[in-house]
Amino acid sequence: GAVVSQHPSRVICKSGTSVKIECRSLDFQATTMFWYRQFPKKSLMLMATSNEGSKATYEQGVEKDKFLINHASLTLSTLTVTSAHPEDSSFYICSARDLFAGSSYNEQFFGPGTRLTVL
Amino acid sequence: DAKTTQPPSMDCAEGRAANLPCNHSTISGNEYVYWYRQIHSQGPQYIIHGLKNNETNEMASLIITEDRKSSTLILPHATLRDTAVYYCIVRVKGSGNTGKLIFGQGTTLQVKP
Repeated sequence: GAVVSQHPSRVICKSGTSVKIECRSLDFQATTMFWYRQFPKKSLMLMATSNEGSKATYEQGVEKDKFLINHASLTLSTLTVTSAHPEDSSFYICSARDLFAGSSYNEQFFGPGTRLTVL
Repeated sequence: DAKTTQPPSMDCAEGRAANLPCNHSTISGNEYVYWYRQIHSQGPQYIIHGLKNNETNEMASLIITEDRKSSTLILPHATLRDTAVYYCIVRVKGSGNTGKLIFGQGTTLQVKP
């Protein structure tokens, strides 16, 4: 199956700093990428949908100025958590949709996740 | 909101078949049934998907009822490595903002020796 990578896998930062997480589709082109967050023992919550070359669409209740998303190419999207606080500590997971997957095939693949801890 | 209902947890003996049910009584005609699983502290892994016919691949089988209001994921010979949270999701296939994968609470499958 297609591969999606995330970097870094883990990050610890001080409160008030900004953290950037990268999501890459390694062997396919992705016009659409998705960002999720997951708290312990909870399900994944969709934060935003990003389309290459345009502004991201945020889900209700997600602060767009807090979670900056850039999708500058067909293989890279970034999520920046600005002025991070301890309550932003979470598992952040990206997902990329294969532009050319046929209808019989799965077209959406997930990265391994990034564990963010804000002290 | 997720449009599926799954039992919160299930146990299965190693080597036996694991049958995970999912109700999706409000599914639309153009919505597919997808199954993903998430092993602890990893990203979700695609398992299988289908529209109305039963499907089988190297990981699992998907049985969809004729009225499409429910489905069952079958892991034919469960191993300890199949212990995970299994998510059943209905969605349209689409581009851009359509067809978003919205996760419910899933079923925690515990495979026991």
